[in-house]
Amino acid sequence: DIQMTQSPSSLSASVGDRVTITCRASQNIISFLNWYHQKPGRAPKLLIYTASSLQSGVPSRFSGSGSGTDFTLTISSLQPEDFATYYCQQSYNFPYTFGQGTNLEIK
Amino acid sequence: QVQLQESGPGLVKPSQTLSLTCAVSGGSISSGGYYWSWLRQHPGKGLEWIGCIYYSGSPYYNPSLKSRGTISLDTSKNQLSLNLSSVTAADTAVYYCARRAGKVTAPFDYWGQGTLVTVSS
Repeated sequence: DIQMTQSPSSLSASVGDRVTITCRASQNIISFLNWYHQKPGRAPKLLIYTASSLQSGVPSRFSGSGSGTDFTLTISSLQPEDFATYYCQQSYNFPYTFGQGTNLEIK
Repeated sequence: QVQLQESGPGLVKPSQTLSLTCAVSGGSISSGGYYWSWLRQHPGKGLEWIGCIYYSGSPYYNPSLKSRGTISLDTSKNQLSLNLSSVTAADTAVYYCARRAGKVTAPFDYWGQGTLVTVSS
C-alpha cells in the first residue's frame, strides 16, 4: 500500500493567515493526489483533485501543487469556516489511502 | 444534485455481520460513469477505504479487510450495500458511502453524512 504522510499533524493559525499543509507519498503517484477537509460530525468535502484542480464551488483561496511524491495545499487567507481537519488521499492505485490528517485550529 | 444516505443498525455484536445500505438520489447508479464506494473512519482517527463497485463490474476491496467485506448494488432500489462479517471492536467506526467518477484516479466527489456503527456485546 502507498503510505501518505502529512505535516504538520496540527496547526494553529489566525483568520487572514496564509497556511500550507504538506503531504508526502511513499512512492511516485504522479499527480493523483486529492485534498479534503472535514468538520466535526460531517463528511469529508473535496477541495482539490489531481494535485491542483479546484473542485467546483470551492473558494479560490484554496490551491494545490506538487507532483511525484511531494504535494502541498495552500490556503491564501484563512477564513473562519476553514478551521477543520485536512486530509490528502492518493488515487493512483488500489487500495486508496489517506494521510493521517492535519488539524487546523484557531490561534 | 446527487445525495447519498447511509442507514443500518448502530450496534452490532462481536462475530456477527454488519449490514449497511446507502440510498442514492439525484442520479441512477446504473447509468454508468461512476464507481460507488464505502469508506470508514475509526473514532478520532483518519479515513480508510473499504472498497468500491461499478454497476456492471466486480467490486474491488481493500486487502486489509481480509475478505470479510461484500459490496453490492441494488439497481431497482438505487442503493448500494456493505456486509462486513465476523466483526470485532476494531470495526467500530463511522461508515460512509461515496461516489467516484469512472476513472481509477478520480476523487470522491459526493459523500453520505456517515453512520456510526458500534461493535459491542
